[in-house]
Amino acid sequence: NAGVTQTPKFQVLKTGQSMTLQCAQDMNHNSMYWYRQDPGMGLRLIYYSASEGTTDKGEVPNGYNVSRLNKREFSLRLESAAPSQTSVYFCASRGQGGTGELFFGEGSRLTVL
Amino acid sequence: QKEVEQNSGPLSVPEGAIASLNCTYSDRGSQSFFWYRQYSGKSPELIMSIYSNGDKEDGRFTAQLNKASQYVSLLIRDSQPSDSATYLCAVNGGSGGYNKLIFGAGTRLAVHP
Repeated sequence: NAGVTQTPKFQVLKTGQSMTLQCAQDMNHNSMYWYRQDPGMGLRLIYYSASEGTTDKGEVPNGYNVSRLNKREFSLRLESAAPSQTSVYFCASRGQGGTGELFFGEGSRLTVL
Repeated sequence: QKEVEQNSGPLSVPEGAIASLNCTYSDRGSQSFFWYRQYSGKSPELIMSIYSNGDKEDGRFTAQLNKASQYVSLLIRDSQPSDSATYLCAVNGGSGGYNKLIFGAGTRLAVHP
């Protein structure tokens, strides 16, 4: 059971470079999420997608773009990376009903120099 | 004001004691409340969800919800060193709807033998 798969797990960028974090889930979940986690800040919501074809801004969307490519995949793009975007990024998915549990990927550690 | 507030800790308790973790939220229309546990370097995992006022017990864990006071808590009875982790409170519903799930900054718990 793969669950939620994120790639890459580690990435070092220079200021101004661009990159895309990929996320895929195999649980047939409607909702998908991107969070960032910085020391002492908990998880902050960047963007989320309630269903294929829809995306919404979260708490800290500036500097990011997302694409819900299909029901399985939700990517996060940094067009021009800044040192303030150094963080651990988590993708998560969630089904309708049930406990409302979020299932997380293993995280992607991004460093911007 | 952050939507979900937690005391960052660390909260230090002796083994066998009760650990009490607290969380307040600002959106009075919030409907679903979750506690996640996160070990260092790992992804968060769900330990409790609660939707109605009152207490909900699951093994050594009890979640308490008071919507009038906009307050949710987690009690861990007979605390064990393996409970040492960061506990994240998450809230959704309200103005953001079902799909917008916001986390607090987390409380670090240390259980010492």
